[in-house]
Amino acid sequence: EDKVVQSPLSLVVHEGDTVTLNCSYEVTNFRSLLWYKQEKKAPTFLFMLTSSGIEKKSGRLSSILDKKELSSILNITATQTGDSAIYLCAVEARGNYQLIWGAGTKLIIKP
Amino acid sequence: NAGVMQNPRHLVRRRGQEARLRCSPMKGHSHVYWYRQLPEEGLKFMVYLQKENIIDESGMPKERFSAEFPKEGPSILRIQQVVRGDSAAYFCASSPARVEQYFGPGTRLTVT
Repeated sequence: EDKVVQSPLSLVVHEGDTVTLNCSYEVTNFRSLLWYKQEKKAPTFLFMLTSSGIEKKSGRLSSILDKKELSSILNITATQTGDSAIYLCAVEARGNYQLIWGAGTKLIIKP
Repeated sequence: NAGVMQNPRHLVRRRGQEARLRCSPMKGHSHVYWYRQLPEEGLKFMVYLQKENIIDESGMPKERFSAEFPKEGPSILRIQQVVRGDSAAYFCASSPARVEQYFGPGTRLTVT
């Protein structure tokens, strides 16, 4: 059965720290991996990683896909309280219309 | 370009009533997905639709739940005879090409 596992489930750090969130997957015919940020509303799209685009960066956020290890990390440097959210990872498989979602990592940034 | 719109934002129903949740995709998007999120859990896929067609409803309970995406108008997720376990946040997402999904603000359904 296809699955996506995120770790840790929750994380509390202080403002200014760097955090690394993990996403591992077991999916038949992997096609892409997506990261989303969810605050008190709907998830917002962050990155999409594929075989042809295994590293993405936007400001303080960056993400890498490791196809050998079947995993991805999301890095946030110089964290701010506004980074507090649930970070969701989802994987798309070829031929499958669904995105398979992880349960998310709840990140809390303390001032 | 307005984002994905969902209404109502909050919906309270008594057990046995019907709930209708609406989703208007972003302009130009013909793919719509519905998800359910229970407290402290991740998003769970329910159904994927294109205009006038249900492509994949494998995540949707066989009974009481139905979805449509008519040629004109919003996509509708309908839950008949609601039960307490249906209380959740229901998110709609739209996409121009199936993968990169843009989410609406969600409808929080409370069944009393």
